[in-house]
Amino acid sequence: EAGVTQFPSHSVIEKGQTVTLRCDPISGHDNLYWYRRVMGKEIKFLLHFVKESKQDESGMPNNRFLAERTGGTYSTLKVQPAELEDSGVYFCASSQGQGLSTDTQYFGPGTRLTVL
Amino acid sequence: AQTVTQSQPEMSVQEAETVTLSCTYDTSENNYYLFWYKQPPSRQMILVIRQEAYKQQNATENRFSVNFQKAAKSFSLKISDSQLGDTAMYFCAFMISGAGSYQLTFGKGTKLSVIP
Repeated sequence: EAGVTQFPSHSVIEKGQTVTLRCDPISGHDNLYWYRRVMGKEIKFLLHFVKESKQDESGMPNNRFLAERTGGTYSTLKVQPAELEDSGVYFCASSQGQGLSTDTQYFGPGTRLTVL
Repeated sequence: AQTVTQSQPEMSVQEAETVTLSCTYDTSENNYYLFWYKQPPSRQMILVIRQEAYKQQNATENRFSVNFQKAAKSFSLKISDSQLGDTAMYFCAFMISGAGSYQLTFGKGTKLSVIP
């Protein structure tokens, strides 16, 4: 069974440009999460989807970030326009969605975003 | 708000020896879960071990065990018989139980190197 996949693995863009990150969760996983790790800091929660609905988006830093999960399968995270402080590693995770907080979150390899 | 502190940015251990990674957390919640995740170099983050706060017994998974001290809000990870494959970043994480959103709160991580 394929794990969580993320694309691209690395993206380098200029300040002011737009970037879209993609996450494909494990097949059948209803829960999908986005996290971000800025250099030297903790991994921070961004948001949580249950199927196509946003369950919790309390971690989204501002309105330059837009996450979607149309059809409840893969998810995209768009940053528009990108700023220097958006640089970091963006992780996606998925879990089965039994409604249990004990569901293990399986992480993808991350997308390293560099904003110049 | 919950915080997780890992006070050891880097550690090293000789192969076959035992090492303990420390983690403390701060919360006013009574029901929660604690986790240790491992991210090997250039690989995905995986769950090592999980502890439910209501359980007094410390969790163990093969060579990995925890020392959970709820009153002290401490959750250390012990790795016995260290192997080269244990070289990785180790993240301590926290999740509130029953909050509806299963966001993880992470520490900054400890980089563990196992020396042959």
